[in-house]
Amino acid sequence: NAGVTQTPKFRILKIGQSMTLQCTQDMNHNYMYWYRQDPGMGLKLIYYSVGAGITDKGEVPNGYNVSRSTTEDFPLRLELAAPSQTSVYFCASSGDGSYEQYFGPGTRLTVT
Amino acid sequence: RKEVEQDPGPFNVPEGATVAFNCTYSNSASQSFFWYRQDCRKEPKLLMSVYSSGNEDGRFTAQLNRASQYISLLIRDSKLSDSATYLCVVNDSGGYQKVTFGTGTKLQVIP
Repeated sequence: NAGVTQTPKFRILKIGQSMTLQCTQDMNHNYMYWYRQDPGMGLKLIYYSVGAGITDKGEVPNGYNVSRSTTEDFPLRLELAAPSQTSVYFCASSGDGSYEQYFGPGTRLTVT
Repeated sequence: RKEVEQDPGPFNVPEGATVAFNCTYSNSASQSFFWYRQDCRKEPKLLMSVYSSGNEDGRFTAQLNRASQYISLLIRDSKLSDSATYLCVVNDSGGYQKVTFGTGTKLQVIP
């Protein structure tokens, strides 16, 4: 069982570049989430989705965009990367009626 | 007051010791509570849910105190492999199955 997968594992971006972080889950979960985790800080919710075609902002959405065209995929788009977006990005999913979230392995992003 | 607060530690304990972590939460309407474990440079993984009556899973015991709005995690007979950061998680009142993560308590078990 793959669970939640994320690509790439690592990426270095220059200021102003754009990229898409990929997230796929094979558990047929409707709920999916993107978090960022800065050193010594808790996980901050960027965006979430409650099903295909439905997304909403979390706590720290500025500088990011998402889409959810299928149940399985929930990509996160960074436009005009800034050093403040240097972080570890985690994608997670949960099944209907459950607060238990399952995480992907993360993407370590550095913007220089 | 932060929504979910934890002592960041680190807690340095010898193998075989018993260690306890507390976590306080601000939303009295919260109903779902969890402990996650996060190894260095890895993703968080669910350790255990916390039930109203308290629950145990092997060497791990979780307790909920609604009156004082805190949850606790007790680890008995600590192993080197228990070294990790333990995250307290509480459901949001805003729905959509959102949760709030604490910043974590770091545990280092020493030989």
